Amino acid sequence: AQSVTQLGSHVSVSEGALVLLRCNYSSSVPPYLFWYVQYPNQGLQLLLKYTTGATLVKGINGFEAEFKKSETSFHLTKPSAHMSDAAEYFCAVSVRGADGLTFGKGTHLIIQP
Amino acid sequence: GAGVSQSPSNKVTEKGKDVELRCDPISGHTALYWYRQSLGQGLEFLIYFQGNSAPDKSGLPSDRFSAERTGGSVSTLTIQRTQQEDSAVYLCASSLVLASTYEQYFGPGTRLTVT
Repeated sequence: AQSVTQLGSHVSVSEGALVLLRCNYSSSVPPYLFWYVQYPNQGLQLLLKYTTGATLVKGINGFEAEFKKSETSFHLTKPSAHMSDAAEYFCAVSVRGADGLTFGKGTHLIIQP
Repeated sequence: GAGVSQSPSNKVTEKGKDVELRCDPISGHTALYWYRQSLGQGLEFLIYFQGNSAPDKSGLPSDRFSAERTGGSVSTLTIQRTQQEDSAVYLCASSLVLASTYEQYFGPGTRLTVT
């Protein structure tokens, strides 16, 4: 069975600083990897995904993530944080792409002015 | 276009009662998923429907939980004899399931409170 570990339930950065949210996965087969964002009292929105091909993937709102097979990681980054980035971020994995997602516990991103 | 819709947005029920939660997926999406989000357990996969195939029920926590999808579109999640630990936000998602996409689009959820 697959699993996802997100390091840090809360991450605080200053506006304009680098955002780094960590995600490690375990999977017995090559995984499909996703990052979702959830704003307060809203549903989940897909930020970006890795399925096949290029290991550095770019998503919406200036976010990107790099799939590193040797490290079983899929960390999310953004060069410069904006106040509007404050939200809950979830990393997720699936083994067949179309099956149900296994989510990490989430990381609450706090942006300090 | 219209996204995934769920109803009701909030549901309060008494312990032991049955509840039905509804999901309307994005038109044309062949796959439909149910998840549960709670403070203690985070986001959990419950069940997955794909076309006319048998659903993947591997995430259902007990036999009190069931779901059906009628006509390949609308889905209903039923919880029988509700317990307090069933209190959570129930999320529905749908996907077109084309090669190399696998993007799931989520609805706003139904917040279930069992008293």
